[in-house]
Amino acid sequence: GAVVSQHPSRVICKSGTSVKIECRSLDFQATTMFWYRQFPKQSLMLMATSNEGSKATYEQGVEKDKFLINHASLTLSTLTVTSAHPEDSSFYICSARGYIDKNTEAFFGQGTRLTVV
Amino acid sequence: AQSVTQLGSHVSVSEGALVLLRCNYSSSVPPYLFWYVQYPNQGLQLLLKYTSAATLVKGINGFEAEFKKSETSFHLTKPSAHMSDAAEYFCAVRFSGTYKYIFGTGTRLKVLA
Repeated sequence: GAVVSQHPSRVICKSGTSVKIECRSLDFQATTMFWYRQFPKQSLMLMATSNEGSKATYEQGVEKDKFLINHASLTLSTLTVTSAHPEDSSFYICSARGYIDKNTEAFFGQGTRLTVV
Repeated sequence: AQSVTQLGSHVSVSEGALVLLRCNYSSSVPPYLFWYVQYPNQGLQLLLKYTSAATLVKGINGFEAEFKKSETSFHLTKPSAHMSDAAEYFCAVRFSGTYKYIFGTGTRLKVLA
């Protein structure tokens, strides 16, 4: 199957700093990428959807100025958590979809564990 | 509103016993249905998906799920649990025309030796 890679897998940052998470589709062109957030012992909540070359569409309640999403190329999307606070600590997962065949679903990255101290 | 409900946040089975993880969805239109597995600190791996073909879907690692429209259910089963099956399992739906996935709250499967 297609591979989606996230980097870094773990990151610790100080409160008030910004941190960038990368999501790459390694062997296909991802026309659409999705960013999810997973709180401990909870499910994944969709944060935003981004199409290559377009502004991201954020879900209700997600601060677009805090969670900056860039999808500048067909293989890379980035999520930047700006001015991070401890409550932003979470597991962030991206997924990507591109045209491989008509039955293709989105593929998920391995996730990034963000800890803000 | 569309939603996914997974009954039982924790399920424990003995090694070799039947695994049954429950999932019900709420929607006026039958969606595409999925089961994903997540190992600790890892992303999601697709186990199987239902896309309106056969109601009994076979997936990887010996798992299968049956779509029952009358019950709006898509329960996941495996005849014989293995220690390596211990993980978090998520049921999810998406609707035709969109690739937004709606996830259930997950079920943590524990396999006892």
